Amino acid sequence: DQQVKQNSPSLSVQEGRISILNCDYTNSMFDYFLWYKKYPAEGPTFLISISSIKDKNEDGRFTVFLNKSAKHLSLHIVPSQPGDSAVYFCAAAGNMLTFGGGTRLMVKP
Amino acid sequence: NAGVTQTPKFRILKIGQSMTLQCTQDMNHNYMYWYRQDPGMGLKLIYYSVGAGITDKGEVPNGYNVSRSTTEDFPLRLELAAPSQTSVYFCASSPTIGTGELFFGEGSRLTVL
Repeated sequence: DQQVKQNSPSLSVQEGRISILNCDYTNSMFDYFLWYKKYPAEGPTFLISISSIKDKNEDGRFTVFLNKSAKHLSLHIVPSQPGDSAVYFCAAAGNMLTFGGGTRLMVKP
Repeated sequence: NAGVTQTPKFRILKIGQSMTLQCTQDMNHNYMYWYRQDPGMGLKLIYYSVGAGITDKGEVPNGYNVSRSTTEDFPLRLELAAPSQTSVYFCASSPTIGTGELFFGEGSRLTVL
Protein backbone atom coordinates (compact mmCIF):
# COMPACT_ATOMS: atom_id res chain seq x y z
CA ASP A 1 0.00 0.00 0.00
CA GLN A 2 1.74 3.14 -1.24
CA GLN A 3 1.22 6.00 1.17
CA VAL A 4 2.77 8.51 -1.23
CA LYS A 5 1.89 8.34 -4.91
CA GLN A 6 3.04 10.16 -8.00
CA ASN A 7 0.57 9.11 -10.63
CA SER A 8 2.40 10.54 -13.63
CA PRO A 9 5.56 8.58 -14.40
CA SER A 10 6.66 11.17 -16.95
CA LEU A 11 5.98 14.72 -18.07
CA SER A 12 7.21 16.60 -21.12
CA VAL A 13 7.22 20.41 -21.18
CA GLN A 14 8.50 23.07 -23.55
CA GLU A 15 11.30 25.31 -22.32
CA GLY A 16 9.93 28.50 -20.76
CA ARG A 17 6.55 26.98 -19.90
CA ILE A 18 5.32 25.85 -16.50
CA SER A 19 5.96 22.34 -15.21
CA ILE A 20 3.49 20.99 -12.67
CA LEU A 21 4.34 17.78 -10.84
CA ASN A 22 1.73 16.21 -8.61
CA CYS A 23 1.81 14.00 -5.54
CA ASP A 24 -0.93 12.43 -3.39
CA TYR A 25 -0.63 10.96 0.07
CA THR A 26 -2.90 8.95 2.32
CA ASN A 27 -1.51 9.36 5.84
CA SER A 28 -2.83 12.48 7.57
CA MET A 29 -0.08 12.15 10.21
CA PHE A 30 2.60 13.33 7.77
CA ASP A 31 3.74 16.77 8.94
CA TYR A 32 6.46 17.72 6.47
CA PHE A 33 6.67 17.31 2.72
CA LEU A 34 9.67 17.52 0.43
CA TRP A 35 10.66 17.36 -3.19
CA TYR A 36 13.92 15.78 -4.31
CA LYS A 37 15.52 15.99 -7.72
CA LYS A 38 17.61 13.20 -9.20
CA TYR A 39 19.88 13.22 -12.22
CA PRO A 40 21.06 9.93 -13.79
CA ALA A 41 23.93 8.23 -11.94
CA GLU A 42 23.62 10.66 -9.03
CA GLY A 43 21.92 10.55 -5.66
CA PRO A 44 18.73 12.53 -5.03
CA THR A 45 19.24 16.11 -3.89
CA PHE A 46 16.86 18.13 -1.77
CA LEU A 47 14.94 20.77 -3.70
CA ILE A 48 12.21 22.34 -1.59
CA SER A 49 10.01 21.50 1.38
CA ILE A 50 6.83 22.61 3.08
CA SER A 51 5.49 22.20 6.57
CA SER A 52 1.95 20.95 7.07
CA ILE A 53 1.04 24.28 8.71
CA LYS A 54 1.61 26.12 5.43
CA ASP A 55 -0.06 25.88 2.05
CA LYS A 56 2.68 27.39 -0.11
CA ASN A 57 6.44 27.71 -0.14
CA GLU A 58 8.45 29.44 -2.83
CA ASP A 59 12.14 29.33 -3.71
CA GLY A 60 13.07 31.08 -6.92
CA ARG A 61 11.52 29.25 -9.85
CA PHE A 62 10.19 26.48 -7.61
CA THR A 63 6.93 26.64 -5.65
CA VAL A 64 5.35 23.85 -3.66
CA PHE A 65 1.64 23.91 -2.87
CA LEU A 66 0.00 21.81 -0.19
CA ASN A 67 -3.73 21.03 -0.04
CA LYS A 68 -4.20 19.15 3.21
CA SER A 69 -7.91 18.53 2.80
CA ALA A 70 -7.23 16.81 -0.52
CA LYS A 71 -3.98 15.24 0.73
CA HIS A 72 -2.29 16.59 -2.35
CA LEU A 73 0.86 18.54 -3.05
CA SER A 74 2.31 19.90 -6.24
CA LEU A 75 5.58 21.35 -7.44
CA HIS A 76 5.49 24.20 -9.95
CA ILE A 77 8.56 25.13 -11.95
CA VAL A 78 8.35 28.45 -13.77
CA PRO A 79 9.92 28.98 -16.23
CA SER A 80 11.09 25.45 -17.01
CA GLN A 81 14.65 25.05 -18.27
CA PRO A 82 16.35 22.12 -20.03
CA GLY A 83 18.58 21.69 -16.96
CA ASP A 84 15.44 20.87 -14.96
CA SER A 85 15.15 17.58 -16.85
CA ALA A 86 15.44 14.96 -14.11
CA VAL A 87 13.39 12.58 -11.98
CA TYR A 88 11.47 14.32 -9.21
CA PHE A 89 10.48 12.48 -6.06
CA CYS A 90 8.00 13.77 -3.54
CA ALA A 91 8.43 12.58 0.02
CA ALA A 92 6.45 12.83 3.23
CA ALA A 93 7.92 12.89 6.72
CA GLY A 94 6.36 11.21 9.70
CA ASN A 95 8.76 9.15 11.79
CA MET A 96 10.69 8.44 8.60
CA LEU A 97 10.58 9.65 5.04
CA THR A 98 8.19 7.91 2.65
CA PHE A 99 8.91 8.48 -1.04
CA GLY A 100 6.69 8.49 -4.07
CA GLY A 101 7.64 6.55 -7.19
CA GLY A 102 9.01 9.58 -9.04
CA THR A 103 8.09 11.59 -12.14
CA ARG A 104 10.54 11.98 -15.01
CA LEU A 105 10.44 15.56 -16.28
CA MET A 106 11.73 16.31 -19.76
CA VAL A 107 12.08 19.97 -20.71
CA LYS A 108 12.45 20.40 -24.45
CA PRO A 109 14.46 23.33 -25.84
CA ASN B 1 33.40 18.52 0.13
CA ALA B 2 32.99 14.73 0.12
CA GLY B 3 29.58 14.53 1.83
CA VAL B 4 28.30 10.94 1.64
CA THR B 5 30.59 8.47 -0.12
CA GLN B 6 29.48 5.01 -1.23
CA THR B 7 31.57 2.15 -2.56
CA PRO B 8 31.47 0.26 -4.83
CA LYS B 9 29.50 2.09 -7.52
CA PHE B 10 28.78 -1.11 -9.44
CA ARG B 11 28.88 -4.78 -8.50
CA ILE B 12 27.69 -8.04 -10.00
CA LEU B 13 27.07 -10.90 -7.58
CA LYS B 14 26.16 -14.52 -8.07
CA ILE B 15 23.18 -15.95 -6.21
CA GLY B 16 24.24 -16.94 -2.70
CA GLN B 17 27.29 -14.69 -2.54
CA SER B 18 27.70 -12.07 0.18
CA MET B 19 29.03 -8.55 0.08
CA THR B 20 29.19 -5.28 1.99
CA LEU B 21 28.26 -1.88 0.62
CA GLN B 22 30.33 0.80 2.30
CA CYS B 23 29.04 4.23 3.29
CA THR B 24 30.97 7.07 4.91
CA GLN B 25 29.90 10.62 5.69
CA ASP B 26 32.09 13.51 6.80
CA MET B 27 29.36 15.90 7.98
CA ASN B 28 29.19 14.57 11.55
CA HIS B 29 25.53 13.65 11.09
CA ASN B 30 24.01 11.40 13.72
CA TYR B 31 21.35 9.95 11.45
CA MET B 32 22.16 7.60 8.60
CA TYR B 33 19.99 5.55 6.27
CA TRP B 34 20.09 2.89 3.59
CA TYR B 35 17.50 2.99 0.80
CA ARG B 36 16.97 0.88 -2.27
CA GLN B 37 15.45 2.19 -5.47
CA ASP B 38 13.54 -0.10 -7.77
CA PRO B 39 12.14 1.21 -11.08
CA GLY B 40 8.90 3.15 -10.58
CA MET B 41 8.80 2.31 -6.89
CA GLY B 42 10.59 5.24 -5.35
CA LEU B 43 13.02 4.69 -2.51
CA LYS B 44 12.36 2.13 0.18
CA LEU B 45 14.05 2.37 3.58
CA ILE B 46 16.08 -0.72 4.47
CA TYR B 47 17.75 0.25 7.75
CA TYR B 48 18.53 3.41 9.61
CA SER B 49 20.69 4.52 12.52
CA VAL B 50 20.21 7.36 15.00
CA GLY B 51 23.78 7.24 16.26
CA ALA B 52 26.82 5.05 16.79
CA GLY B 53 25.76 1.68 18.15
CA ILE B 54 22.05 2.15 17.42
CA THR B 55 20.34 0.74 14.35
CA ASP B 56 16.78 -0.16 13.47
CA LYS B 57 14.81 -1.79 10.67
CA GLY B 58 13.07 0.16 7.98
CA GLU B 59 10.40 -0.95 5.55
CA VAL B 60 12.34 -3.69 3.69
CA PRO B 61 15.08 -5.12 5.99
CA ASN B 62 14.92 -8.81 5.06
CA GLY B 63 18.16 -10.14 3.61
CA TYR B 64 20.26 -7.26 4.93
CA ASN B 65 22.25 -6.36 8.03
CA VAL B 66 23.87 -3.15 9.21
CA SER B 67 26.24 -1.96 11.88
CA ARG B 68 27.19 1.49 13.13
CA SER B 69 30.43 1.40 15.09
CA THR B 70 31.34 5.04 14.36
CA THR B 71 29.46 8.23 13.52
CA GLU B 72 31.02 8.27 10.04
CA ASP B 73 30.46 4.72 8.80
CA PHE B 74 27.28 2.76 8.11
CA PRO B 75 27.98 -0.40 6.07
CA LEU B 76 25.18 -2.53 4.61
CA ARG B 77 25.75 -6.27 4.49
CA LEU B 78 23.98 -8.55 2.01
CA GLU B 79 24.04 -12.20 3.02
CA LEU B 80 23.12 -14.91 0.51
CA ALA B 81 22.36 -12.55 -2.38
CA ALA B 82 19.13 -13.18 -4.31
CA PRO B 83 17.92 -11.78 -7.67
CA SER B 84 15.29 -9.78 -5.77
CA GLN B 85 18.13 -7.72 -4.30
CA THR B 86 19.08 -6.39 -7.72
CA SER B 87 18.61 -2.69 -7.22
CA VAL B 88 20.29 0.67 -6.79
CA TYR B 89 21.25 1.31 -3.18
CA PHE B 90 21.55 4.77 -1.69
CA CYS B 91 23.10 5.72 1.59
CA ALA B 92 22.02 9.00 3.17
CA SER B 93 22.65 11.04 6.27
CA SER B 94 20.90 13.90 8.04
CA PRO B 95 21.64 16.23 10.96
CA THR B 96 18.09 15.91 12.29
CA ILE B 97 15.20 13.53 11.97
CA GLY B 98 11.65 14.43 11.10
CA THR B 99 12.06 17.31 8.66
CA GLY B 100 13.33 14.89 6.07
CA GLU B 101 16.21 16.77 4.45
CA LEU B 102 18.64 14.00 3.64
CA PHE B 103 22.04 14.08 1.98
CA PHE B 104 22.47 11.16 -0.39
CA GLY B 105 25.47 9.37 -1.80
CA GLU B 106 25.75 8.70 -5.53
CA GLY B 107 24.39 5.18 -5.25
CA SER B 108 25.62 1.62 -5.72
CA ARG B 109 24.15 -0.43 -8.54
CA LEU B 110 23.98 -4.11 -7.60
CA THR B 111 23.05 -6.92 -9.96
CA VAL B 112 22.50 -10.46 -8.68
CA LEU B 113 22.63 -13.16 -11.37
